[in-house]
Amino acid sequence: NAGVTQTPKFRVLKTGQSMTLLCAQDMNHEYMYWYRQDPGMGLRLIHYSVGEGTTAKGEVPDGYNVSRLKKQNFLLGLESAAPSQTSVYFCASSQGLGQGASGANVLTFGAGSRLTVL
Amino acid sequence: AQKVTQAQTEISVVEKEDVTLDCVYETRDTTYYLFWYKQPPSGELVFLIRRNSFDEQNEISGRYSWNFQKSTSSFNFTITASQVVDSAVYFCALSSNTGKLIFGQGTTLQVKP
Repeated sequence: NAGVTQTPKFRVLKTGQSMTLLCAQDMNHEYMYWYRQDPGMGLRLIHYSVGEGTTAKGEVPDGYNVSRLKKQNFLLGLESAAPSQTSVYFCASSQGLGQGASGANVLTFGAGSRLTVL
Repeated sequence: AQKVTQAQTEISVVEKEDVTLDCVYETRDTTYYLFWYKQPPSGELVFLIRRNSFDEQNEISGRYSWNFQKSTSSFNFTITASQVVDSAVYFCALSSNTGKLIFGQGTTLQVKP
């Protein structure tokens, strides 16, 4: 069972280039998330989705776009990469809030994608 | 607005000492969920515990214990008799009833032999 798979694991971009990070989950989870992790900043929420076809902004959405056309996939796009977007990106998924306390949003994380923008 | 604050950036203890990691949160929701995650040096993120806003009962799991106090908006994590393998970054997180889930800045715990 793969869980949450992120591709690519590493990427180096030049300023202004575009790219897409792919997150795929095989657990039939409703909710999916994209975070970035930077030293001293913890994990910051970029965008999230509570179901197929829906997306919402997180704490740091500027410079990123997302799409959730299929339930199992959550794509994170950088249209014009900037050095400030150099980071480790984590995707996560969960069953959602579920029924009562038992289903409440425990995340399964991918292994991370390290992006460097020169 | 939601916010999670982990004021302790780094903590260093000697093995077998007890250590408490602080977490303070802000939310306007009456229904919410609190979490702790561990990130060891290998980099993966591991779920430790979830609490909902209606359950203030403290929890103990082996050497780990959690103290949830709504009156002070805190959800603190204590490791008893720390071990070198506890060295990691620990994150506190808050989920609203809309699904938005945010993390604190993390506390790096170093346990020295």
